[in-house]
Parts: sequence; C-alpha cells; structure tokens
Amino acid sequence: AQSVTQLDSQVPVFEEAPVELRCNYSSSVSVYLFWYVQYPNQGLQLLLKYLSGSTLVESINGFEAEFNKSQTSFHLRKPSVHISDTAEYFCALIGGTSYGKLTFGQGTILTVHP
Amino acid sequence: DTGVSQNPRHKITKRGQNVTFRCDPISEHNRLYWYRQTLGQGPEFLTYFQNEAQLEKSRLLSDRFSAERPKGSFSTLEIQRTEQGDSAMYLCASSTPPASGDNEQFFGPGTRLTVL
Repeated sequence: AQSVTQLDSQVPVFEEAPVELRCNYSSSVSVYLFWYVQYPNQGLQLLLKYLSGSTLVESINGFEAEFNKSQTSFHLRKPSVHISDTAEYFCALIGGTSYGKLTFGQGTILTVHP
Repeated sequence: DTGVSQNPRHKITKRGQNVTFRCDPISEHNRLYWYRQTLGQGPEFLTYFQNEAQLEKSRLLSDRFSAERPKGSFSTLEIQRTEQGDSAMYLCASSTPPASGDNEQFFGPGTRLTVL
C-alpha cells in the first residue's frame, strides 16, 4: 500500500517570505511524485513532478521540490511568495504498479498575507 | 476550450435518488480517471478507464456506484440510492498512456454533489 502525508494542514505566511510545504510518502515500490495546486474556484493543476534523474525539480513560477529517497520526502519550497500563490497544494504519488492512479495527501492551504 | 469538462457543476439531490455525472476528457487522451474529494481531504481514486475498458476499481466504489465509458470518449458516473455520505466533489481527469510514469493527469472542475 502507498500513502502520502502532508504534515501541515494550513500554512500562513507574509508576502515575500520563504515557505516550505512538507510532504512524506510511504511505498514499497518505486514512485513518481507530484505537486498539484488548486486555486480558489479552479480545478487541480500540476505544479511540478519528479520522475527520475535530478532530484531537484522546478516549476515555472518559482517553486521547487527535492526528492529525498532516504527520508521519503518531497517537500515544496519557494524563496519568496506572492499573494497570488494563495491556494491549496496537494502532494501525490504514483506507485510503480498502480497504472497511473494518483494517491494524494490531505492538502496544505497556503495563505499569503500582505 | 480543450480541457476536461464535467457536467453538472453542482447537483443537489434527496437521499435515495439516483444521480449521473458526465465527464468529457481531452480528445486525444485515452485514459480517464474518477476521483472523489471530501471536505478537508485530498482526492481519492475511484476508478479508471483505458479507452472503453474499466481497468481498476477502488474498494471505495460500492455496488451503488457504476461508471461507464461506452465509446472510449466521454464517461458517466452513476450513483444509485444516494446517501448523505456520498456528498463530495467528484473529479474527472484524463491522460495519455504513461511512458515511464510521465502521464500528467489533467483535471476537470469537478461536480459537487450534495445529498440532503
């Protein structure tokens, strides 16, 4: 069985501050890891993904995540957040034999205050 | 718009009634997924299709739930004899077949079901 745990349900930060959203996973097989974002009143959108190769992956809007196999983590970071980053963020995985089925964490609500 | 569409966006029904939701995937995508998301939780996998074949069903999908994708294009999810516990957001996603896991799933806006 596979599982994803997002350690913080809510993260409030001030604009231009750094942020880290934590994600840990459990799986007995190799995994592919994803971060999805859901802006208010919008559908889920893929933010970034780790499939193989470099353990540090980046999104086009300044987020990055690092795959750490020994700690089974895939934390999401941004050095300076904007008001527009306010959204709910979901960490998810696909296990090696799950045929593309995503297993999601519980979500972290990021609120950026001016 | 060439994204995933879902109809209706909202559905309010009384307990015991049947409801049906529709999902239209991105046209060239042959994989289609259904997920359910309850308040404060991440989406949970329900079932998926490759073309018209339903290849996997979650244990969450009780006998009251049925999904079809008759021509490998749009899909329907039917819930019979709805219960209050069925109240949730039902999400549809589509993708191309995975190549080394690289199968970004594109999500629709969801159908919010409220069972009174």
